[in-house]
Amino acid sequence: DTAVSQTPKYLVTQMGNDKSIKCEQNLGHDTMYWYKQDSKKFLKIMFSYNNKELIINETVPNRFSPKSPDKAHLNLHINSLELGDSAVYFCASSQAGTGGDTQYFGPGTRLTVL
Amino acid sequence: DAKTTQPTSMDCAEGRAANLPCNHSTISGNEYVYWYRQIHSQGPQYIIHGLKNNETNEMASLIITEDRKSSTLILPHATLRDTAVYYCIVKGGTASKLTFGTGTRLQVTL
Repeated sequence: DTAVSQTPKYLVTQMGNDKSIKCEQNLGHDTMYWYKQDSKKFLKIMFSYNNKELIINETVPNRFSPKSPDKAHLNLHINSLELGDSAVYFCASSQAGTGGDTQYFGPGTRLTVL
Repeated sequence: DAKTTQPTSMDCAEGRAANLPCNHSTISGNEYVYWYRQIHSQGPQYIIHGLKNNETNEMASLIITEDRKSSTLILPHATLRDTAVYYCIVKGGTASKLTFGTGTRLQVTL
């Protein structure tokens, strides 16, 4: 019973293509996130949704568009893929409460753009 | 969110306690100290967090100094599977981002 799951695990595609990565959480959390880890291993926030509403939007090219059909899902669509988009993308979720809101991460999607 | 400073790398013998320090001298009153680790290229794994009291769970203990300017993560009996990059993160507010630094690469050896 995976808490935060992502599909696909690996994605290899050509430059210029459009692709989507899906994320689902079964923890009942109301906030979901997308992080990107580049080749130098730096992990950075990209987006965050709370109850399907965008609340964090870091400086990310508008080729990246998150979509949250419901609280349990946050998908990432990427248009016109570029070589520099190659990275590992992690989804996470959290639930606000007393004592902080711990984020739980998915296993990641390794995107390779050729 | 406050910035943290951690040693780049540490070694620990298997079976011994691993003590990972973190400085966060600019932490604010409502900010928590979180610890995560990343094993190879897996997703970051939550370990423990605290506000001002020391905390313990099945994975580790977190010791926070009284002035809250530094903390130590303790893995009481390190195993080879604890080899990972450990991140100390200070975070305030709900639904806010985790700002990952470069972390401490812990190598557990036989």
